[in-house]
Amino acid sequence: KNEVEQSPQNLTAQEGEFITINCSYSVGISALHWLQQHPGGGIVSLFMLSSGKKKHGRLIATINIQEKHSSLHITASHPRDSAVYICAVRSRSNYQLIWGAGTKLIIKP
Amino acid sequence: DTGVSQDPRHKITKRGQNVTFRCDPISEHNRLYWYRQTLGQGPEFLTYFQNEAQLEKSRLLSDRFSAERPKGSFSTLEIQRTEQGDSAMYLCASSVSRGEAFFGQGTRLTVV
Repeated sequence: KNEVEQSPQNLTAQEGEFITINCSYSVGISALHWLQQHPGGGIVSLFMLSSGKKKHGRLIATINIQEKHSSLHITASHPRDSAVYICAVRSRSNYQLIWGAGTKLIIKP
Repeated sequence: DTGVSQDPRHKITKRGQNVTFRCDPISEHNRLYWYRQTLGQGPEFLTYFQNEAQLEKSRLLSDRFSAERPKGSFSTLEIQRTEQGDSAMYLCASSVSRGEAFFGQGTRLTVV
């Protein structure tokens, strides 16, 4: 079992829909990152969380430390949100980021 | 632009040649990471520097790979005797201690 599991692997939705991407992890962490990667592009950090909830524009990220679970939400989704969204956790035991496999999101106009 | 920059953005090389990539982190960031990402996969950790010290190195990093950060600022990643399996996106990231990681655009290597 991977230490960081994301679901769904692929998600296709219509413009305007509310999007939720989930991330579960099994290790002790000091922080959780949500990142965005466009095709052929580099990685952009969206959020770094250690507790609670953060909001930036139409993006909301939450984390439940007890349940070892985080969600990324996109409100009023738009085709330009189409990308791969990656959850990565920073292990408490070392400096590495442990990566989820990513969720490929396609928003259709 | 004061973000993380990587050079070159794209590199095509013949099998057996050596290649070197450069990463310039955000200036006040003491931590620097190298990752490799193959098509359809998540990034894999390669190595990590705190200032000029290379503190961790993945077993994925064979003897053909070497990374340096000589003055604790920019870093280089060299691959000797490249193989087709080395074709990937090589990503660099930097952060302050326990801070958010910021990524460069990556260097896409194609070995033909």
